Amino acid sequence: EPEVTQTPSHQVTQMGQEVILRCVPISNHLYFYWYRQILGQKVEFLVSFYNNEISEKSEIFDDQFSVERPDGSNFTLKIRSTKLEDSAMYFCASSELLGNYGYTFGSGTRLTVV
Amino acid sequence: SQQGEEDPQALSIQEGENATMNCSYKTSINNLQWYRQNSGRGLVHLILIRSNEREKHSGRLRVTLDTSKKSSSLLITASRAADTASYFCATDESAQKLVFGQGTRLTINP
Repeated sequence: EPEVTQTPSHQVTQMGQEVILRCVPISNHLYFYWYRQILGQKVEFLVSFYNNEISEKSEIFDDQFSVERPDGSNFTLKIRSTKLEDSAMYFCASSELLGNYGYTFGSGTRLTVV
Repeated sequence: SQQGEEDPQALSIQEGENATMNCSYKTSINNLQWYRQNSGRGLVHLILIRSNEREKHSGRLRVTLDTSKKSSSLLITASRAADTASYFCATDESAQKLVFGQGTRLTINP
């Protein structure tokens, strides 16, 4: 069954550093998303991406964050000047179409900012 | 309650019993989805029910939706140890945004 692949599975970074989280969505999916889950809390929407543009973003997704689809397969989330409170699981997801279709999530990247 | 709130927060049952989890939401929806998350892992899509549907089945899963009460339930029949996980409902706040609840931690005791 097709999968959404995320790398790395775990990233430890110093506060203030930049990190790039990588995702390979399912090849025929058109819509891509990033969500995060702080330990013990809800899964929170960060951003959705379609046709090489951000289509929707949450208030969490401020200037510290950016997304990119650098080639035909990868979808990245960049976090600049990381803060302790950025520590969380970051999940990439993709969907084939909009509307009444479920998402396929990756296994996540656990980001620890120290 | 907030969009997509589940109850109970935790549920512990014996293997073979049925598990029922509930979800309430506040705004109008096009669909409601249920996801499972094993500890420290990603979210796995279980089932989607459209706003014009009242009940849906998938294997041992049964989902109901009551749009008049803005609530949904997930029933897992004949539970197995492998069903131990957290279960989340998610509603489509917009076409490209899901809002998740806090989840129900389900423990199946052998």
